[in-house]
Amino acid sequence: QVQLVQSGAEVKKPGSSVKVSCKASGETLNNYAITWLRQAPGQGLEWLGRIVPFSDRKPDYAETFQGRVTVSADRSTSTVNMELSSLRPEDTAVYYCARSKGPADSIDDYWFDPWGQGTLVTVSS
Amino acid sequence: DFQLTQSPSSVSASVGDRVTITCRASQGISRWLAWYQQKPGKAPKLLIYSASSLQNGVPSRFSGSGSGTNFTLTITSLQPEDFATYYCQRANAFPMFTFGQGTRLEI
Repeated sequence: QVQLVQSGAEVKKPGSSVKVSCKASGETLNNYAITWLRQAPGQGLEWLGRIVPFSDRKPDYAETFQGRVTVSADRSTSTVNMELSSLRPEDTAVYYCARSKGPADSIDDYWFDPWGQGTLVTVSS
Repeated sequence: DFQLTQSPSSVSASVGDRVTITCRASQGISRWLAWYQQKPGKAPKLLIYSASSLQNGVPSRFSGSGSGTNFTLTITSLQPEDFATYYCQRANAFPMFTFGQGTRLEI
């Protein structure tokens, strides 16, 4: 059974960038999408983007984050990375990666299970 | 803009109670809806998908129903470990996914 382990907490200055990684163990990521979401303190869940690792497909990004977020995959380390640039204090949140329940383009491609443990990103001057 | 509206935003209940949480979509989404449970400091956990399918390993006291614009999550015979925040998620606008604002279930 796949487990997703994320990198540790980060503290960043406004205007800088942050890179959060999500490493899969137990199964490969082949043909399953990895989605990135975030949750600001005391708030709900917000979708940032997704990638089908190691495929020819381009990542998809939420309009809100277009141009600021980049999702990529590293086959050699079974890791998916999310980089967010031009950070603002309101980007302070816990960032989660989650795998789709089923293979890409299947009926179960649209549900998220399992999830990583979350990575707290704090943006403060 | 599409919205998912959950009600109530919070609910108090006791062990053994039956609780129903509602999620209303601003446009019809057929059965493209999931429910997640989140405990403090933890990642969300998938409970229900396709409006009424129970995820593997989830207790049968959890059930989902609905289609179109109105959906419900029902928990029968509440257990202590069920006190958490519950979110609905829309999945028919691939690849963009929207969540409800959450319902906090507390003692």
